Parts: sequence; structure tokens; C-alpha cells
Amino acid sequence: DTAVSQTPKYLVTQMGNDKSIKCEQNLGHDTMYWYKQDSKKFLKIMFSYNNKELIINETVPNRFSPKSPDKAHLNLHINSLELGDSAVYFCASSQTNPLGNSPLHFGNGTRLTVT
Amino acid sequence: GENVEQHPSTLSVQEGDSAVIKCTYSDSASNYFPWYKQELGKGPQLIIDIRSNVGEKKDQRIAVTLNKTAKHFSLHITETQPEDSAVYFCAASKGSGYSTLTFGKGTMLLVSP
Repeated sequence: DTAVSQTPKYLVTQMGNDKSIKCEQNLGHDTMYWYKQDSKKFLKIMFSYNNKELIINETVPNRFSPKSPDKAHLNLHINSLELGDSAVYFCASSQTNPLGNSPLHFGNGTRLTVT
Repeated sequence: GENVEQHPSTLSVQEGDSAVIKCTYSDSASNYFPWYKQELGKGPQLIIDIRSNVGEKKDQRIAVTLNKTAKHFSLHITETQPEDSAVYFCAASKGSGYSTLTFGKGTMLLVSP
């Protein structure tokens, strides 16, 4: 059983297209995230949702729109794709607790290539 | 905001040697420091973490040390094996409310047989 699963694993598309990446977690966690990993392996937070509510929105272009239909799912829709959007996108989840500091559980990533 | 520096960016060792990866952080309010291992084609996986009320933590061949005064923490892997080859990330967070992890830029560890 995959704890955090995201689809598709690979996504190749042309500039200007719109695409979506789906993520589901079966860990019962209440918080989900999207991270972007660039070609130099740098991991940067994009969004975070807690119980379907957006709680963190870093400086990400408006072309990126996350949607959380329930606390087990967090999808990422990207409009008007650009070459610079090429990266690996990771979904992650965690369970908040009074002390914070909950470990993140990552999916295996979606490699997006924009041509 | 928090800034995490990680060194070295690449590290090559012989099987059986020890490997040490070092990180520094800028925000003195940070109190949670996890380490993640990322294998090729996979997502990062937590291997060990340490909180600010602890100076050292060990789990079999892996240990992490924390120096809050100097704001640095290190990952130590002893008796390295080829399967330890991966990219390792350190991270830091304040660990309150919805604080998020700030990651270092990663260290590619290569263990040669």
C-alpha cells in the first residue's frame, strides 16, 4: 500500500497547455503539501492545506492552483505551462500535533517536462 | 525567514568508511531538525530527526548531533554501504502551528564498494 500516491509519474506536454497532477494519502493525515524540486535538487514548498483549508501559499504564480476536495486529496492544476515549470513535483502529508514538528511523508514525485 | 546551508554538496567514500554531512541554520527559533534520504526516482524519506531539547540521537549506523548555540547540526553515517548512496537533505522548522520545513540543498553521497 502506497502511503502517498501521486499520478502521473511522468508528464510531458507543450508550452501553453493546462495539466493536472493528483495526490492521495491513506495515512489519515490532516495536512498536505506540494513541493517543487528543480534540476539542482532544491526542494521548495509551494502550498500547504490543513483539513481542506489553504494555510501556506508561497510566492507561486497564479497559474498554479491547488484543490483539496477532502483531507485525503490535494490536486495541483497548472495553466498555461511554461518551460520554467519543468521540475519534479512532490506531494507530501503530515499530521499536525500540539508540538508541531510532524515528519513529512512524500510521494514518489511527478516529473513534468514542458517542451 | 529561515535559511539552511548544507555541506558538502557531494561526498564520495569507500564502503565501510564514515560519512558526515553538516548543516547550519539561521533562525534561532527553529527547534526541529529532520534528515531525509532521497533515492533515485523516489521521494525523500525521513531517516532520523532531532528536537532542540536533545543534543544527540542515534539509530543503528545513523546519528545526528545538534549544537543550538552554534546553530548547526550534523548527520553521521558509520560503516557505510553501497545502498547508503543517495541524496541526503537536512531541514529545519520552528515546529509550531503550521510551520514548514526549510530544506538544505542536498548532499549526494556515493559509497563505492
